[in-house]
Amino acid sequence: GESVGLHLPTLSVQEGDNSIINCAYSNSASDYFIWYKQESGKGPQFIIDIRSNMDKRQGQRVTVLLNKTVKHLSLQIAATQPGDSAVYFCAESYGQNFVFGPGTRLSVLP
Amino acid sequence: NAGVTQTPKFRILKIGQSMTLQCTQDMNHNYMYWYRQDPGMGLKLIYYSVGAGITDKGEVPNGYNVSRSTTEDFPLRLELAAPSQTSVYFCASSSKTGKDNEQFFGPGTRLTVL
Repeated sequence: GESVGLHLPTLSVQEGDNSIINCAYSNSASDYFIWYKQESGKGPQFIIDIRSNMDKRQGQRVTVLLNKTVKHLSLQIAATQPGDSAVYFCAESYGQNFVFGPGTRLSVLP
Repeated sequence: NAGVTQTPKFRILKIGQSMTLQCTQDMNHNYMYWYRQDPGMGLKLIYYSVGAGITDKGEVPNGYNVSRSTTEDFPLRLELAAPSQTSVYFCASSSKTGKDNEQFFGPGTRLTVL
């Protein structure tokens, strides 16, 4: 079946540095992509989304980039803070289907 | 708004027992979803509903049943619990608009089948 995957299962960054979390998707029909943050013991929390007619979208300290040519999605976090430590999931949507990747654990080092 | 609420938070079942995981949302969302999340893994869609009276299978529906008699509630039923159903279960809802499909998640139910 269709799947969404991640290049890096774990990522450690120094506090204050920028973080980049990558994601590959396989369904060219997907038209909506979302990044979620999941802290330990909690449900996923929406961070930022992007539609397939865009290639970049910015939020507060976060930017999502979409490269449809190579089916690649990335999440950039500027000036990473200790509170950013969590597991980050990308998800692709086509119709009412949402397919999640396995997640990347981000650890922020002091 | 309370958002998406789930009960119970934790449950231990014996093999063969049955139970219902409750999910309620107060955002008047038409769309509701049930996912399971195994340790160290992403979420897998079990069932979803696009409105009251309508349900559809997701990626991993076997061993589960759902119903959607109201907009607010979307219970998930396990009839004969198996160890393979040990997981964390998340309910989510979304409002389908022309622009935004954001899903709002509940806090999860941690289920162990022994």
